[in-house]
Amino acid sequence: DTEVTQTPKHLVMGMTNKKSLKCEQHMGHRAMYWYKQKAKKPPELMFVYSYEKLSINESVPSRFSPECPNSSLLNLHLHALQPEDSALYLCASSQDGTGGRETQYFGPGTRLLVL
Amino acid sequence: GDSVTQMEGPVTLSEEAFLTINCTYTATGYPSLFWYVQYPGEGLQLLLKATKADDKGSNKGFEATYRKETTSFHLEKGSVQVSDSAVYFCALSDQGAQKLVFGQGTRLTINP
Repeated sequence: DTEVTQTPKHLVMGMTNKKSLKCEQHMGHRAMYWYKQKAKKPPELMFVYSYEKLSINESVPSRFSPECPNSSLLNLHLHALQPEDSALYLCASSQDGTGGRETQYFGPGTRLLVL
Repeated sequence: GDSVTQMEGPVTLSEEAFLTINCTYTATGYPSLFWYVQYPGEGLQLLLKATKADDKGSNKGFEATYRKETTSFHLEKGSVQVSDSAVYFCALSDQGAQKLVFGQGTRLTINP
């Protein structure tokens, strides 16, 4: 089973709202990723967790706050977002993220609209 | 740094045509290579991969061969279907790197 699940599928929020995106995998993977994808562009890496520790933050604004409660779950907390943050947010997982050359498996994404 | 270059789209073909989408890469190490497909309104799905030189990845009639001498990983399919209409991303993951490096994506439309 190579399934990564994400909830919600769609989210509309105002600039003063607080919301969270959730990602789950049951493949026993120890690395999890958040990507942001704008229309007609490839995904852009935001954060990487390896063994529940944040290992990469690609200079993402603090209005995005990741959390990895355990090895199967990854959350992205959203606060005071801007309209330009509207995008498809993708979660991915891989074996453990330490040696490179790993296959990443993606979820279906959460389509976010900020009004 | 590492990079991936894909042929620019969009690509439009008729059903049962032969498909090639070119992909070349530069890498400092010895990467694994991937093709991902994204259907409209969906996330990325792994289509195929290759982890060493001369390996051929294949899935759903698609094939790509890891060519170290030409630093290429071209995607081919002998007879495309309307259901193959999607965006295709070539990507690499280098030694010691946690990042996937993506090409810009190629939008493929197959007409009946």
